[in-house]
Parts: sequence; C-alpha cells; structure tokens
Amino acid sequence: AQKVTQAQTEISVVEKEDVTLDCVYETRDTTYYLFWYKQPPSGELVFLIRRNSFDEQNEISGRYSWNFQKSTSSFNFTITASQVVDSAVYFCALSGAAGNKLTFGGGTRVLVKP
Amino acid sequence: KAGVTQTPRYLIKTRGQQVTLSCSPISGHRSVSWYQQTPGQGLQFLFEYFSETQRNKGNFPGRFSGRQFSNSRSEMNVSTLELGDSALYLCASSLVPGGEAEAFFGQGTRLTVV
Repeated sequence: AQKVTQAQTEISVVEKEDVTLDCVYETRDTTYYLFWYKQPPSGELVFLIRRNSFDEQNEISGRYSWNFQKSTSSFNFTITASQVVDSAVYFCALSGAAGNKLTFGGGTRVLVKP
Repeated sequence: KAGVTQTPRYLIKTRGQQVTLSCSPISGHRSVSWYQQTPGQGLQFLFEYFSETQRNKGNFPGRFSGRQFSNSRSEMNVSTLELGDSALYLCASSLVPGGEAEAFFGQGTRLTVV
C-alpha cells in the first residue's frame, strides 16, 4: 500500500520568506511518480510539479524548487520569496505506474502574511 | 481551453436520498478520476475511468458508483446517503491514463447531507 505523510499541518510566514514543505512517502513500486498540488480557497487542486522515481535531479522552476531523495523517501518542496498569493493548502501526492490513482498526504496549510 | 467542469457546485441532500454528480473533462482528455475530500479523512481516491471502463477503484462501499460516457463525461452516484458522505467531491481529468499523467482538477461539488 502507498502512503504519503506531510508532518507539517500549518506554516505561517511573512512575505518574502522562504517556505519548505516536507513530504515523506512509502511505496513498494519501483516506478512511481511524485506530485505537489496547491489548493487555493476556491477548491480546485492546481498541479505544481511532478518527478518520476528514476530522476532524482532537483530543479528550480521560477520560485518553486524541490528536493527528491529516494534514500530517505522524501520529496520536499520550497517556495522562495513567498507572496501573499501563495497562501493555500499544499498537497504532496504519489501514484504508481498503472492508472491515475493519486495517494495524497494530509496537506500543509501555508499562510503568508504581508 | 475550458477546464474541468463539475456540476452542481453545491448540493444539499437528506439522509437516505441518492445523488448524482457530473464531471466534464478537458476536451481531448479521456481519463477521469474522482476523489472525496473531508476534514477527517483528507483526499481519498474513489475511482478512475478511461474509455468508459473503470480501471481503478478505491476503498469505498458499493453505494458509491460511477460511469463514463463515450464523450468522456463522467458521473458518480451515491445511493442511500449518510451524514458521513458530506464532503467536497473532486473530479480530475488527464490526457493519458498512466500514473505519470498530470491531473487537472475541477472546483468540486460540495455535498452536504442533513
């Protein structure tokens, strides 16, 4: 069975501070995919980033960056120079190779204060 | 292009009734998945459809069912509603059915059972 754990339930920062969200996952699959989604108050989940299990290269995309480490089963996500519009709930998710079946973590609520 | 459209946005039903929720995927997307989001259980996978066939099913009772039409639109039905079925129901569409696919979510249908 797959499992995703986001230990942080809520993070509060002041605008322009960096925010790092932790995610730890469990899976027996050798091929799997990791995602980060953002859920603003409007309700829909917005795709942010994806990483497959064979690619541990960490990247930066605009103000977003991620740190994928298979050795510790972690997929952490950082927002650099946070803005008020970044306030939302962020979900880490995991899927296997077969089918669109996402297993989500419990989410981390990020509050960015001006 | 138009995003994922879910109707209705809000719904109030009485215990014991049944309800049907609708999801129109992004044009060209043939994979549709459904998720239930509650404060207690978080985001949980319900089922996934591709080309009118159910490919995956989550751990929900048989009262929860779904189907997909030839135009990829999907419906989910919940019969004999219980108070615990109150939740935000999210639909996601993907271009391909594989686990690597980016899922685009609708704004959800908020169901309240009284």
